[in-house]
Amino acid sequence: EVQLVESGGGLVKPGGSLRLSCAASGFTFSSYSMNWVRQAPGKGLEWVSFISDGSSYIYYADSVSGRFTISRDNAKNSLFLQMNNLRAEDTAVYYCARGLPGTARPFDYWGQGILVTVSS
Amino acid sequence: SSELTQDPAVSVALGQTVRIACQGDSLRNYYAIWYQQKPGQAPVLVIYSDNNRPLGIPDRFSGSSSGDTASLTISGAQAEDEAVYYCNSRDSSGHRYVFGAGTKVTVL
Repeated sequence: EVQLVESGGGLVKPGGSLRLSCAASGFTFSSYSMNWVRQAPGKGLEWVSFISDGSSYIYYADSVSGRFTISRDNAKNSLFLQMNNLRAEDTAVYYCARGLPGTARPFDYWGQGILVTVSS
Repeated sequence: SSELTQDPAVSVALGQTVRIACQGDSLRNYYAIWYQQKPGQAPVLVIYSDNNRPLGIPDRFSGSSSGDTASLTISGAQAEDEAVYYCNSRDSSGHRYVFGAGTKVTVL
């Protein structure tokens, strides 16, 4: 069974940092691209970042570029999101999501999400 | 433009058919993907590459696309289909993703 479990969320002050982790199991992690998607309270989905299976390709939403860094450790079946210089508008539930191979790369499995709150 | 536009809400009578539209320039070049999200839950993939269903998704869900508009159709809506539906695709760069604002479907 495919499982994605996020951790590392919590309350942080504006300007602070946080590192999210996503532990993957039930599939060959190194064969799939991965993504982070967030959802502010009461709002819609916002794609945050993509990393290819071998980490060769990495992309970010403009809203987080230069502040967030996505990475992965295929040996440990883990995905990470290092978030620096956090702002109030980064407050959201953060989901890790697996990308299917192919042109469309839909997100076929999602974690349960982890809440990040940026507030003084 | 890299935006995807969806109607905020739509209602459908139990057992009837509802179509949800998503409009955006990027849909001329990239597949539409649809997710269903129920309150307090993670999104679930329901349609990808315009009209493909993952295993486990009922065949009452179907998709189509023409020009800059993609549609998700629920044929014979059930009470459990009440949810917010998000369309998703690549942006104009082809590297990033964009979501529509979501359409809340209410089954009456």
